[in-house]
Amino acid sequence: DAGITQSPRHKVTETGTPVTLRCHQTENHRYMYWYRQDPGHGLRLIHYSYGVKDTDKGEVSDGYSVSRSKTEDFLLTLESATSSQTSVYFCAISGLRGGTGELFFGEGSRLTVL
Amino acid sequence: DAKTTQPTSMDCAEGRAANLPCNHSTISGNEYVYWYRQIHSQGPQYIIHGLKNNETNEMASLIITEDRKSSTLILPHATLRDTAVYYCIAPNDYKLSFGAGTTVTVRA
Repeated sequence: DAGITQSPRHKVTETGTPVTLRCHQTENHRYMYWYRQDPGHGLRLIHYSYGVKDTDKGEVSDGYSVSRSKTEDFLLTLESATSSQTSVYFCAISGLRGGTGELFFGEGSRLTVL
Repeated sequence: DAKTTQPTSMDCAEGRAANLPCNHSTISGNEYVYWYRQIHSQGPQYIIHGLKNNETNEMASLIITEDRKSSTLILPHATLRDTAVYYCIAPNDYKLSFGAGTTVTVRA
């Protein structure tokens, strides 16, 4: 299994508070991703990173920021959490074998915003 | 990414082959087809990918039509543990998006 861990795995917070989710990898992979998953919506890309300090927006990036100061860590920050950001968040890393689409996912972080 | 279309759901009998279709009629020549599955609330798991030729690994087989406009994922002997949501994607860059996938229920 790919070495990818997410923290925290579960978090309950209140509207308006900042929240940071961490994704840590031990594979030295260049590409890292943050997705959210909600019932009826599948997996939606929030942000991704293609190297240290190199990030780009996905399809649902509003209200989220990311940072990648070193290869192994990709942080997702909700500056002021809202109830609509209650979701399960998945981090993924790219193995890059045979194309662009082979991803390894973390176990997910369940965030509840009250 | 090429748009992919999958059935919303399908049932399969335990021990039988499960054939999961995916339509990707807008796929371009250098876009691979990837399949993932997600069991319950776990993170999605990579299954297999292919470009033109049929592929097989320990989990499944992937059959891609000659015109590459559609593919079929085959689970040769479905078990109850294969009950999951299966995603077919055909990315052309690193912005990888997943649709709703096919919910496969394997019944005893």
